[in-house]
Amino acid sequence: GAVVSQHPSRVICKSGTSVKIECRSLDFQATTMFWYRQFPKQSLMLMATSNEGSKATYEQGVEKDKFLINHASLTLSTLTVTSAHPEDSSFYICSPRLGEGSPLHFGNGTRLTVT
Amino acid sequence: AQSVTQLGSHVSVSEGALVLLRCNYSSSVPPYLFWYVQYPNQGLQLLLKYTTGATLVKGINGFEAEFKKSETSFHLTKPSAHMSDAAEYFCAVSAGGTSYGKLTFGQGTILTVHP
Repeated sequence: GAVVSQHPSRVICKSGTSVKIECRSLDFQATTMFWYRQFPKQSLMLMATSNEGSKATYEQGVEKDKFLINHASLTLSTLTVTSAHPEDSSFYICSPRLGEGSPLHFGNGTRLTVT
Repeated sequence: AQSVTQLGSHVSVSEGALVLLRCNYSSSVPPYLFWYVQYPNQGLQLLLKYTTGATLVKGINGFEAEFKKSETSFHLTKPSAHMSDAAEYFCAVSAGGTSYGKLTFGQGTILTVHP
């Protein structure tokens, strides 16, 4: 299946700092990357969709100025959590879109803890 | 709009017993359906997916699921549970077309396997 490398796997940062999460496709090119988050003991929720070469689209309730998404190339999408606060502590995970009907794989996720 | 309901947040079985995890969906368009497994502090692994065609879908690790349109269900089964199956399982639905890949997840079912 499509291999997605997500880094870092775990990060602890202080409140007010920014954290960048990378998702890199290793054996394919993805024009679209989905970003999800999972709060403790909850399910996954779609945050935003990144599109190579254009602006990301955000789901209702997700602050676009706080969660900056960049998809500058067909193999790299990044999510930057700006001015992180403890309530942003969550598991962030990416999933590339390939063709319709193709398997939908995920990166290994990033556990963000904001102190 | 789409939604997924997983009946039973916790399911407990004995090793060697049948595993049945229930999933019902709501979708205004023909759905694509997925089952994922998540081990603690890890990403999601795709077990199987239904797109079109055969309604009985076989996946990895001996799991299978049957798409029943009349019942709007996509229950996951495995004939004989192994200790290594203990994890959290998520059912998810996606629409097609330009929305393909935007997954709506159920709340998850934690599977416990007793020796």
